[in-house]
This record gives sequence, C-alpha cells and structure tokens, in this order.
Amino acid sequence: GESVGLHLPTLSVQEGDNSIINCAYSNSASDYFIWYKQESGKGPQFIIDIRSNMDKRQGQRVTVLLNKTVKHLSLQIAATQPGDSAVYFCAEGGGSYIPTFGRGTSLIVHP
Amino acid sequence: DAGVIQSPRHEVTEMGQEVTLRCKPISGHDYLFWYRQTMMRGLELLIYFNNNVPIDDSGMPEDRFSAKMPNASFSTLKIQPSEPRDSAVYFCASSPPGSQREADTQYFGPGTRLTVL
Repeated sequence: GESVGLHLPTLSVQEGDNSIINCAYSNSASDYFIWYKQESGKGPQFIIDIRSNMDKRQGQRVTVLLNKTVKHLSLQIAATQPGDSAVYFCAEGGGSYIPTFGRGTSLIVHP
Repeated sequence: DAGVIQSPRHEVTEMGQEVTLRCKPISGHDYLFWYRQTMMRGLELLIYFNNNVPIDDSGMPEDRFSAKMPNASFSTLKIQPSEPRDSAVYFCASSPPGSQREADTQYFGPGTRLTVL
C-alpha cells in the first residue's frame, strides 16, 4: 500500500511578528547555502543565499544566519505578512553547486 | 518571459502505463534540471543537462526513468512502466549561461503532479 507522508514542521505566527525558521545541515564540507520559498501549487523560488565565509547576510525583510560550528542555518523574516505563508526550504551546496534540499518548514501567518 | 513551462500540470494514470512529462526552459538558458518532490523524500534532483547534454543522472531512481533534451527549448522525462511509488510532483528548472550552477539562478516551473493508481 501507499506509505503515509510525514507532516512538515510548522511555524505559526501573527501578522507583523518576526519569524525565525531553522535548518540543520549535515555536510561539513558544504560551502554554499540557499533558502527557497515554495507557495502552494508553485515551484520553489530563491530567497537568499550565503557562502560559508560569511555568518550573516541581509536581504529585503529577510536575514540568513549561518553557524558553521553547529552546522545550523536560520532564516529570519521581519514583519511577517500573510503573503509569506509558504513552505521554506534550506539547501546546501558543495563544490558542484548543485544543492541538496532539506524537507522544509511550513510557515503559517495569521492575519 | 513566460518562465519555465511544464505540461501537463496534472497527470493521473494507471500502474504500468507510460508517462511523459514535458518542459520548455526559459529561452537562452543552457542548464536544465529535473526534480521530484514528495512528502517523504522532499525535493530530489533527478538529472540535469548543460547545452542539451546530460551531465549527471545519478539521481534517476532506476531504469524505468529516462530523460532527453533533443534541443535547447525542450526536454522530456519519461517513466515506463509507471508505478504507484512514482506519484509525486515533478519540477523542471533552468538556469542561464555563465552561472556556476548556483541555486540563485535556477528558475523553477510550476510542476507536474503525477498520480499513478
């Protein structure tokens, strides 16, 4: 029979709050990290990336933090809006730059 | 630009049937990627092409899967015979020349939702 799908981790926030989505990566040799946003019925869209020689990078309303010591990546979204509701993926890349995607976190923003 | 175009958007078929998924990359892009997404395994890279040549097909699950890119504006992913465990959303993505295949240059299509009964 068909296997049962696992539920994604979910983060629920109120509109206007700041959101923090976390990701642990596995390969200590990874030197490039990317966050993607995937809205329902659409393909993933690039949000922001960071290289391993940095520990912080800021975009428009988003900040990515990288802690190589504990192999942890986070995405911070300031003043979260209903349009930010989506599944967020982190991805890690090595020398080939072809990313390995994590399973994602579902962000739900309540108006 | 219309972006990456995939067809069909939804496909329902019976086990054992052949399934062909189609992709038209963004004009001028020379990298094309096929991904599969499931709840259990997340987003997996199946194969990618550069200038119509398959570069890495190590993600293709088994011989039932094959992909072609006969020209710069068209690619197919074929499953023959299909099985229920192939049910997933299949994404095509493309990226422009000059990139080091960095993810920020990958543009994803809307996906094809495949259901194999």
